Amino acid sequence: DIQMTQSPSSVSASVGDRVTITCRASQDISSLLAWYQQKPGKAPNLLISTASSLQSGVPPRFSGSGSGTDFTLTISSLQPEDFATYYCQQAHSFPYTFGQGTKVESK
Amino acid sequence: QVQLQESGPGLVKPSQILSLTCSVSGASISRGTHYWSWIRQHPGKGLEWIGYIYYSGSTYHNPSLKSRATISVDTAKNQYSLKLTSLTVADTAVYYCARQSHSFFDYWGQGTLVAVSS
Repeated sequence: DIQMTQSPSSVSASVGDRVTITCRASQDISSLLAWYQQKPGKAPNLLISTASSLQSGVPPRFSGSGSGTDFTLTISSLQPEDFATYYCQQAHSFPYTFGQGTKVESK
Repeated sequence: QVQLQESGPGLVKPSQILSLTCSVSGASISRGTHYWSWIRQHPGKGLEWIGYIYYSGSTYHNPSLKSRATISVDTAKNQYSLKLTSLTVADTAVYYCARQSHSFFDYWGQGTLVAVSS
């Protein structure tokens, strides 16, 4: 299985901060990576697919980049509704696998 | 608007069989434009993809479940189901159904918590 490793596991930030989350794949996955946001008690919500394609309705402060093994999710100016846990997911090989999550907390 | 809704028991005993159903509205499974998946999340933990089914009945099941999982489809009811056998406490989790769009999960059910306990 392809292992997905996110860093950091948690980040403390303030409204307006720029937040960057990294996801590393254990092998080359091209651009077959997605990012999800999950709030407590809710299902994950797809933010970005194919590494950098923003889903419809997702604010442009979210952006994704990378290819191969190293990927980044950036929130350019953190908003109150962005405090949540973020997961990456690879879709290159079966079984699809997720990172362990990064919790964005209020400083 | 696409909506998915899981249904099934909230409590099952060890060694028993779990059966969950996902009812889909706003999209037709039989149209064949998407794959339909099950994903679970252990309490306070990350996400584990269980597998998918296509309208034709073609499936993939994650080997991590050691052949205990079976996904089936009922296109007439626009539903698909998960059966998980030989349950242990380690199967306690929130189970989600989700639509796959180009290998990513774009619509999810609200999730259903399944506790395995005697």
